[in-house]
Amino acid sequence: AQKVTQAQTEISVVEKEDVTLDCVYETRDTTYYLFWYKQPPSGELVFLIRRNSFDEQNEISGRYSWNFQKSTSSFNFTITASQVVDSAVYFCALSEAGSGYSTLTFGKGTMLLVSP
Amino acid sequence: DAGVIQSPRHEVTEMGQEVTLRCKPISGHDYLFWYRQTMMRGLELLIYFNNNVPIDDSGMPEDRFSAKMPNASFSTLKIQPSEPRDSAVYFCASSFSGTGPNTEAFFGQGTRLTVV
Repeated sequence: AQKVTQAQTEISVVEKEDVTLDCVYETRDTTYYLFWYKQPPSGELVFLIRRNSFDEQNEISGRYSWNFQKSTSSFNFTITASQVVDSAVYFCALSEAGSGYSTLTFGKGTMLLVSP
Repeated sequence: DAGVIQSPRHEVTEMGQEVTLRCKPISGHDYLFWYRQTMMRGLELLIYFNNNVPIDDSGMPEDRFSAKMPNASFSTLKIQPSEPRDSAVYFCASSFSGTGPNTEAFFGQGTRLTVV
């Protein structure tokens, strides 16, 4: 079973629409960290957010917001009023206490295409 | 800081040839990771180092792959002999104290390897 599941392979929206990218994770650890990375067409991986398992408060950063729910093992990412520059592949990742917080396990990614 | 620097950005080689990918981590970081990205398998961890020592190489696909970190500012990933199925984007990443509390992995721009 995958530890990090991003069920949406590809999403297409029109500019200014809101879009939510889903991430479901699996771990036996009580302490863990969740991440989101963005991979624009240029190819690099850009860090967006880190969240620890004890902090279930939602976070907002500009047009970006994250909803962390331990009860459903989900860490979803919402872009409000999407823009063409948001077009990218977005990855959710997990770091677990069991691995000493040494490594990231990535989901397969969701490709977001925002058209004008 | 210049970030994680990888070279070359693109490499095309013939099957059977030796390929060496290079990485300069961010100064002061004590963890270095090599990931491989393919369409089929997504982002997968190949090997990681802590303080220049290889800690987990269980992700290295075959004996054809080897990685070294002779000092804190340089690492190589070598494939010998290369095969067409090694074609992928190889990312190097570095972090301070792993990927958990107060820290995340910073990725290089990747090396796109094509083996023909």
